[in-house]
Amino acid sequence: DAGVIQSPRHEVTEMGQEVTLRCKPISGHDYLFWYRQTMMRGLELLIYFNNNVPIDDSGMPEDRFSAKMPNASFSTLKIQPSEPRDSAVYFCASSLGVAGDTQYFGPGTRLTVL
Amino acid sequence: DAKTTQPTSMDCAEGRAANLPCNHSTISGNEYVYWYRQIHSQGPQYIIHGLKNNETNEMASLIITEDRKSSTLILPHATLRDTAVYYCIVRVGDNYGQNFVFGPGTRLSVLP
Repeated sequence: DAGVIQSPRHEVTEMGQEVTLRCKPISGHDYLFWYRQTMMRGLELLIYFNNNVPIDDSGMPEDRFSAKMPNASFSTLKIQPSEPRDSAVYFCASSLGVAGDTQYFGPGTRLTVL
Repeated sequence: DAKTTQPTSMDCAEGRAANLPCNHSTISGNEYVYWYRQIHSQGPQYIIHGLKNNETNEMASLIITEDRKSSTLILPHATLRDTAVYYCIVRVGDNYGQNFVFGPGTRLSVLP
């Protein structure tokens, strides 16, 4: 299996621009998670989906952030408009919905907002 | 907030066993203990998890105390490539309403 795939791996944009991050979970996994990692706040959960339905988005920082999962093999995290404080590494993870299962993380997208 | 406490950093000599402690004194009966590590610039990597019994896999061993209030991750023969931040997480295994909360972890440096 190819594991969790994220694109792009690096994104540099200017303040005010729209940014879209993409994730392909491991085939057969029915949970998908989006995390953000910064030096100041560490690794924090933004939102997660079960069977393509958002379950908990309490970690999404503000309305500028939105996430979708149109099908079982694809999810997006969008920031509009982007701000310099959004600069971070964004990770996607997926897991099976069984007790004791673990989450498998993608390589991350390093976002820099100038 | 994370339910675990770990030392901020540790050193280990290459080839020696690395023993990383974790306290989780408020752990509930149905909560699993998970260990992940994150090598610089990479996504967190799953290592091992357990509920009550000690566990071993090709990467590490997990020793959980009888009262389950603490655990130790053991890397039996540390190599330079094991230098990473190690996260200990407790999570309810059958309730996905609660998810992984990553604390600051332990920064392990394996020295030549």
